[in-house]
Amino acid sequence: DQQVKQNSPSLSVQEGRISILNCDYTNSMFDYFLWYKKYPAEGPTFLISISSIKDKNEDGRFTVFLNKSAKHLSLHIVPSQPGDSAVYFCAATGGSNYKLTFGKGTLLTVNP
Amino acid sequence: EPEVTQTPSHQVTQMGQEVILRCVPISNHLYFYWYRQILGQKVEFLVSFYNNEISEKSEIFDDQFSVERPDGSNFTLKIRSTKLEDSAMYFCASSPIAGGNTDTQYFGPGTRLTVL
Repeated sequence: DQQVKQNSPSLSVQEGRISILNCDYTNSMFDYFLWYKKYPAEGPTFLISISSIKDKNEDGRFTVFLNKSAKHLSLHIVPSQPGDSAVYFCAATGGSNYKLTFGKGTLLTVNP
Repeated sequence: EPEVTQTPSHQVTQMGQEVILRCVPISNHLYFYWYRQILGQKVEFLVSFYNNEISEKSEIFDDQFSVERPDGSNFTLKIRSTKLEDSAMYFCASSPIAGGNTDTQYFGPGTRLTVL
């Protein structure tokens, strides 16, 4: 039951360019969405989030866009840096519980 | 900056043995969680805990699993009789505020459990 889907297992971009990571969800009860970054052998690190009452949230080089009608969100990283290379997880929560439902992740590689 | 800590970083055990995974959540947080990630799979929710009781659990969290907050700082996950399929990374997380769906969960570094 894939309620949160990240259809691209990997993405490779050049340093300085934009990275766009995509995420789709199916559960209409989700109302809060988060992006986590994960390095090997470490726990997920919170990056940025967005509430369903907004369609955009920006924090430095990171911007998350939410399209509720399409049940789609994306994470933009501009400009991409080699240190951004990691697995990025999209997660969602909502309804009467607070558990996070994760996507499978996208491995981002930023080449110098 | 406060962070969630977990011990041990790696636990190796024989099938059928009991294991206890330990977590110290961020000190002013009120909600606590356990997740796990089997190699190559997605991060999965196990259980959430608030006010000294389980608030939600997944179908994975069967009678072999239990959680406890034995004192004011530790939060533990016990697996009574481990199975091979329990081998995974186990992540503890905490969030600051009780109630609402806008709380960010902060994760620990994980414990790698290997069941032989």
